[in-house]
Amino acid sequence: GAVVSQHPSWVICKSGTSVKIECRSLDFQATTMFWYRQFPKQSLMLMATSNEGSKATYEQGVEKDKFLINHASLTLSTLTVTSAHPEDSSFYICSARSQPGLLPSYNEQFFGPGTRLTVL
Amino acid sequence: RKEVEQDPGPFNVPEGATVAFNCTYSNSASQSFFWYRQDCRKEPKLLMSVYSSGNEDGRFTAQLNRASQYISLLIRDSKLSDSATYLCVVNNNNAGNMLTFGGGTRLMVKP
Repeated sequence: GAVVSQHPSWVICKSGTSVKIECRSLDFQATTMFWYRQFPKQSLMLMATSNEGSKATYEQGVEKDKFLINHASLTLSTLTVTSAHPEDSSFYICSARSQPGLLPSYNEQFFGPGTRLTVL
Repeated sequence: RKEVEQDPGPFNVPEGATVAFNCTYSNSASQSFFWYRQDCRKEPKLLMSVYSSGNEDGRFTAQLNRASQYISLLIRDSKLSDSATYLCVVNNNNAGNMLTFGGGTRLMVKP
């Protein structure tokens, strides 16, 4: 149980295009989903926290108009990188957390397999 | 100062060796602690939680020292398959249950 998928697993696009990444919790309902970014040889950096049905909370330095997050259901959150540029090339990873009082444990985050974005 | 600090390594050890990783965290209000393992180009996977009393899972032993804000991971009898990056992760439960990742320590186990 507690499986999180991401789609696509990798994408290559031209500079200026927009890219949408999907994060799905396959066997549980995720009240909260987190979006991380990881540059080569660096750690995961939290970009934003997304709660179902409400606006995402962005970390300092992350442009909300550039990284659009939609969490329309308890099993799906999307991250859209708008007008992507080469410096946006990175490994984007989502994680999902269940609801308090339900399984899987609320205290654990379950990670998707990541999406590798390359902007030419 | 980073919230969670780790020696990036790499630690190059022979098979069968015992290796220890350390991690320090700056937020004294942190309440939950974990070690994750991340393989190259993959997502991080939970290795084990870290409890104040110390805990062991097979060849892996984790310890927490709240007074010194220090976490450790000991791997005994290293296997080739242990080669990965080990991430020290702290959860400040008062901040919406968000995880803060250390930079990771890279381990390479050689035959």
